[in-house]
Amino acid sequence: AQSVTQLGSHVSVSEGALVLLRCNYSSSVPPYLFWYVQYPNQGLQLLLKYTSAATLVKGINGFEAEFKKSETSFHLTKPSAHMSDAAEYFCAVSGRLTGGGNKLTFGTGTQLKVEL
Amino acid sequence: DGGITQSPKYLFRKEGQNVTLSCEQNLNHDAMYWYRQDPGQGLRLIYYSQIVNDFQKGDIAEGYSVSREKKESFPLTVTSAQKNPTAFYLCASSKGTDLLPRAFFGQGTRLTVV
Repeated sequence: AQSVTQLGSHVSVSEGALVLLRCNYSSSVPPYLFWYVQYPNQGLQLLLKYTSAATLVKGINGFEAEFKKSETSFHLTKPSAHMSDAAEYFCAVSGRLTGGGNKLTFGTGTQLKVEL
Repeated sequence: DGGITQSPKYLFRKEGQNVTLSCEQNLNHDAMYWYRQDPGQGLRLIYYSQIVNDFQKGDIAEGYSVSREKKESFPLTVTSAQKNPTAFYLCASSKGTDLLPRAFFGQGTRLTVV
């Protein structure tokens, strides 16, 4: 079974500072990993995904994540935080469903706060 | 524009009542999913359907029921057997059974028991 652990349920950064949101995964097979962003009372929007093509993945809104197999990590970063980045971020891993197909297993989320 | 539509956005239910949450997609996706979101717990899979007229239980199916009579629609019924139904419910879809690059989420329905 696959799982993800997000370290830190709340992260606060100053505007213009580096954003680092941590995600560690557990998987018995090579994983597919995702980061999603959720704004209040809205659905999830895909930020980026890792599907084994390249270990450094660039996503939307200036975010990127690096897959590190040795550390079983897929941390999300952004060089300079913007006020509009304030949201909840979810790391997810794709796992097999009974009878075929895949499902996303989500971490518990990290709420990012950006301060002036 | 193609996408997933969930309705209503907010729903209030009295204890003991069944309520049905709507999820419609016009993306021609085969697979559809229902997730429940609670604060501090992430998203948990309730039910999924990989093809019309077929659906499977997810991790927390007790107290819920679904149907998949049409490809475009995957309604979720929260029954009176669900002990703690207050939550944010998200519907998702993907092409085929591959949830990799093509998963789309609706805007969610917030259900509150009053």
